[in-house]
Amino acid sequence: QKEVEQNSGPLSVPEGAIASLNCTYSDRGSQSFFWYRQYSGKSPELIMFIYSNGDKEDGRFTAQLNKASQYVSLLIRDSQPSDSATYLCAVSGWNTDKLIFGTGTRLQVFP
Amino acid sequence: GAVVSQHPSWVICKSGTSVKIECRSLDFQATTMFWYRQFPKQSLMLMATSNEGSKATYEQGVEKDKFLINHASLTLSTLTVTSAHPEDSSFYICSARVGTGITEAFFGQGTRLTVV
Repeated sequence: QKEVEQNSGPLSVPEGAIASLNCTYSDRGSQSFFWYRQYSGKSPELIMFIYSNGDKEDGRFTAQLNKASQYVSLLIRDSQPSDSATYLCAVSGWNTDKLIFGTGTRLQVFP
Repeated sequence: GAVVSQHPSWVICKSGTSVKIECRSLDFQATTMFWYRQFPKQSLMLMATSNEGSKATYEQGVEKDKFLINHASLTLSTLTVTSAHPEDSSFYICSARVGTGITEAFFGQGTRLTVV
């Protein structure tokens, strides 16, 4: 079983719609969870992180964490074509520096 | 946010030669840096954790004699791909975190290595 799993996609949504990206993880000791966006040929850039159960909102983005289900998601409201990218979920333990990445979900927002 | 600078951004080398990639933290001290490799349409795979003043910790399956890591100072880590072969062609990315736990990782720009 992979440590961090994501559906590779592509996930296609129309402009203005809500895109929902999901991620599951295997290590129950995981404490912090990150969503990164990566454009082709570029390094990942942080969208947001979350470490408490529930929702965390930042502009058009909402991260949701459910530790009991070992599940974290990212919602993108009012999706724009510029949001088209690969979204990487990353997980870290409390006492470790290491970030373990999922395989990423490719999002396509069409006009 | 903190800035991590990686150099070169791309390099083409002949098979059998060695290539050095530098990763610098510009505005903070990074006691730990991480080296990732990413093949096309795949995720970032952690290769090793670079620790200032000590030996790097390699992930399972990564050849430490082939991928030499040196973390000579609190702001510089280098990855040397020795005796490179075409299968080493990949996108190499370094990152650094300030602290542990809920701190974000800052990434360098990445290095596209092509071995011909």
